[in-house]
Amino acid sequence: SQQGEEDPQALSIQEGENATMNCSYKTSINNLQWYRQNSGRGLVHLILIRSNEREKHSGRLRVTLDTSKKSSSLLITASRAADTASYFCATDGDNYGQNFVFGPGTRLSVLP
Amino acid sequence: DAGITQSPRHKVTETGTPVTLRCHQTENHRYMYWYRQDPGHGLRLIHYSYGVKDTDKGEVSDGYSVSRSKTEDFLLTLESATSSQTSVYFCAIGGGGNTEAFFGQGTRLTVV
Repeated sequence: SQQGEEDPQALSIQEGENATMNCSYKTSINNLQWYRQNSGRGLVHLILIRSNEREKHSGRLRVTLDTSKKSSSLLITASRAADTASYFCATDGDNYGQNFVFGPGTRLSVLP
Repeated sequence: DAGITQSPRHKVTETGTPVTLRCHQTENHRYMYWYRQDPGHGLRLIHYSYGVKDTDKGEVSDGYSVSRSKTEDFLLTLESATSSQTSVYFCAIGGGGNTEAFFGQGTRLTVV
């Protein structure tokens, strides 16, 4: 079963606005990661946040993690048309953290 | 793309035939993964490997087998292809669930 569930399933915003996506998960984790997938391409790693971290930044990206609520959020500030993509959260899997469990993703459309 | 190559990139095959997909890496990563991606399901883990000849099942392993005889190659075999195995297959490499994964470009498989 899927560990992570992203919300919303789809999001449409104007260029320059901020985009926020959420991820909820079910069991305890050691870390949570966010990936981006452009149409027809493989996934690209964006950021990893460990369970003892609450917030992490990378350029225009800000990720928060609330382990008490089993949730994470990805904020993209000042969005651009090039940010149009699907975004996935992934948690370390059940098997001693050897693999990744992905949610179904959020489809982000940034309109010019 | 982090030294990871999938072949073939596209394949159409008939129901009941065996199919083998290849993943090749030049990064010497210990872990290799096979995922399938279907609309509404995100990425689901089929099998993964944590070393030469060391493999384990994922969430959706029925109808699939894998082999890893060399560090750089991870093969996924559909023993007798069915229409339900029509999907996009992604290979990924990495250091385990606590580090980022690098994805290949995907193989689009159609079973007719």
